[in-house]
Amino acid sequence: EPEVTQTPSHQVTQMGQEVILRCVPISNHLYFYWYRQILGQKVEFLVSFYNNEISEKSEIFDDQFSVERPDGSNFTLKIRSTKLEDSAMYFCASSEQGASGNQPQHFGDGTRLSIL
Amino acid sequence: EDQVTQSPEALRLQEGESSSLNCSYTVSGLRGLFWYRQDPGKGPEFLFTLYSAGEEKEKERLKATLTKKESFLHITAPKPEDSATYLCAVFLTGGGNKLTFGTGTQLKVEL
Repeated sequence: EPEVTQTPSHQVTQMGQEVILRCVPISNHLYFYWYRQILGQKVEFLVSFYNNEISEKSEIFDDQFSVERPDGSNFTLKIRSTKLEDSAMYFCASSEQGASGNQPQHFGDGTRLSIL
Repeated sequence: EDQVTQSPEALRLQEGESSSLNCSYTVSGLRGLFWYRQDPGKGPEFLFTLYSAGEEKEKERLKATLTKKESFLHITAPKPEDSATYLCAVFLTGGGNKLTFGTGTQLKVEL
C-alpha cells in the first residue's frame, strides 16, 4: 500500500541552526501538509500546499518556516534559526483532494526534531 | 471557539471487554470527521471518515458513529493489538484543508 515517507526519523540540531525535513508524499496525491506534535500535546496544523503554492498556514507557521516542492516527488519543510520550542515531532501528510472532497489525509511516521 | 474534545484520556480494558471512545465537538460547521490510530513513535493511521449525522462505518472490531454533537468509536471484543492512541480530527466549514485534532484516547488492552 502506498505510504508517505519522511527522513530523517530523528534530527538533533543546535539552537540557531537551520534544519530541512524531507517528505515523499503518495505519488498520485495533489495536496500536501505539515503538522507538528509537541510531546504530550495535540497534533497541530502548520501548512497546506497545493499547485506549488501555500494554500493555508497557521499562526505557528511564521517567517521562520518555509516549504518547497523542489521536484516531482519531494516536499520539504525548512526551519531557520531553530529555537528550543521547535522541538517536536513533525508529520508530513498528503491527500488526493482537499477538504471539499473530504478525502482523508495520510500521514508519514514523522521526524523527531530535538533542539539543543 | 471551535473545539474537539476526546474522552476518556486513557482507558484500560481486558481482552474481550467492549467499550466506546468519545469525540465531542463544538464547531461552527462540520464538513467531515476522521478517526485515526496512532502507535507510539508513529504517524496517525487513517481509520474512518464520517460526513453526516447517523452515518456508521465498520472495520474489524471497530465501529464509528456520528451524531450532530459527537462521534463514538466502539471497540468490540478488543485484543492487545488494538492498544494505541485513537485520534479524532475534523474538517471545519471555512477551515480550508486543515484537520483540527482532539487530544486522543490512549487505549491499553490487557490479556
